[in-house]
Amino acid sequence: GAVVSQHPSWVICKSGTSVKIECRSLDFQATTMFWYRQFPKQSLMLMATSNEGSKATYEQGVEKDKFLINHASLTLSTLTVTSAHPEDSSFYICSARGLVSYEQYFGPGTRLTVT
Amino acid sequence: AQSVTQLDSHVSVSEGTPVLLRCNYSSSYSPSLFWYVQHPNKGLQLLLKYTSAATLVKGINGFEAEFKKSETSFHLTKPSAHMSDAAEYFCVVSDRRNTDKLIFGTGTRLQVFP
Repeated sequence: GAVVSQHPSWVICKSGTSVKIECRSLDFQATTMFWYRQFPKQSLMLMATSNEGSKATYEQGVEKDKFLINHASLTLSTLTVTSAHPEDSSFYICSARGLVSYEQYFGPGTRLTVT
Repeated sequence: AQSVTQLDSHVSVSEGTPVLLRCNYSSSYSPSLFWYVQHPNKGLQLLLKYTSAATLVKGINGFEAEFKKSETSFHLTKPSAHMSDAAEYFCVVSDRRNTDKLIFGTGTRLQVFP
């Protein structure tokens, strides 16, 4: 149980375009979802926390107008990278937490490459 | 402020030999500590966690870790490595008052040779 999926697993886009990444909790209701960014050979950095039906809370230094997060349902959160630039190329990982447990369940990640 | 330092970026062992992945933490408050494993193309999986109970924590797949406050360490061990243990391992700390905010170490890549 407690499976989280991400789609797509990898995406290539051109500079200046926007790309949307989906994060789904498949077998539980996720009241809170988290978005992380992982640079090569570096740790995961929390970008933002979103609660279903509320605006996301962004970590310091994360541009909320660039990284749009929507958590419209208890099983789906989306991250949209707007006007992507090569420096946005990274591995994006989501996690989800349900009501019962404080444990975060992680998705497999999405590799974004901006050319 | 909280942080974790994983002392080794790579660890190589032979199958059947012990595994030791080292982690030191820094925390202004009582910490919760976790070890996660990341296999290629799979989501991070929780191996074990320390909150406030027993200092020796047993996890899945034969892994365990000991919380040593005096040494600010939370090293991960396994008596006998298996080929399937080859993966990236992350030590993670959070403030026990706010377990939503996870602070990750830089990871240790474990290689297991036959």
